[in-house]
Amino acid sequence: DAGVIQSPRHEVTEMGQEVTLRCKPISGHNSLFWYRQTMMRGLELLIYFNNNVPIDDSGMPEDRFSAKMPNASFSTLKIQPSEPRDSAVYFCASGLAGEGSYEQYFGPGTRLTVT
Amino acid sequence: SQKIEQNSEALNIQEGKTATLTCNYTNYSPAYLQWYRQDPGRGPVFLLLIRENEKEKRKERLKVTFDTTLKQSLFHITASQPADSATYLCALFSGGYNKLIFGAGTRLAVHP
Repeated sequence: DAGVIQSPRHEVTEMGQEVTLRCKPISGHNSLFWYRQTMMRGLELLIYFNNNVPIDDSGMPEDRFSAKMPNASFSTLKIQPSEPRDSAVYFCASGLAGEGSYEQYFGPGTRLTVT
Repeated sequence: SQKIEQNSEALNIQEGKTATLTCNYTNYSPAYLQWYRQDPGRGPVFLLLIRENEKEKRKERLKVTFDTTLKQSLFHITASQPADSATYLCALFSGGYNKLIFGAGTRLAVHP
């Protein structure tokens, strides 16, 4: 299995531009998570989906952030408009929710720089 | 308020020694706790899970303990090697929140 795939790996954009991050979870996994990691705040959960349905988006910082999961093999995290404080590494993780299966498998991350 | 605390200072040890990392939490009642390893430029990698009714879990050179009275988990790496150098994150799952909450991580450096 290729693991969780994220694209792009690096993104540099100007303030005010729209940014779209993409994630392909591990085949067969039914949970998908978007995290943001910064030195100051560590690893923060933004939103997670179960069976393609958003369950908890309380970590989404503001309305500029939105996430979708149109099918079991694809999810996007969009920031519009982007701001310099959005600069961070964004991770997607997937897992198989069920009895005894709680570990999460992380992708390589997208390093976002907003200038 | 809820807190997960891991030692923010790096832990430096000599190869062959046992590394012990600490994870303390307050105002949580986690159903289970996980430990992850993160290398620079990479995503975290799952290592071990321990449930609230388990005192200890082992996997090869790794050992995790979970004391719900002290609200603490200890993560041990025996016979440490330079390849064990990384940041180690603890994460709590609390049924009330239904999601993983990560600590800030502790950086481990194993010197030859």
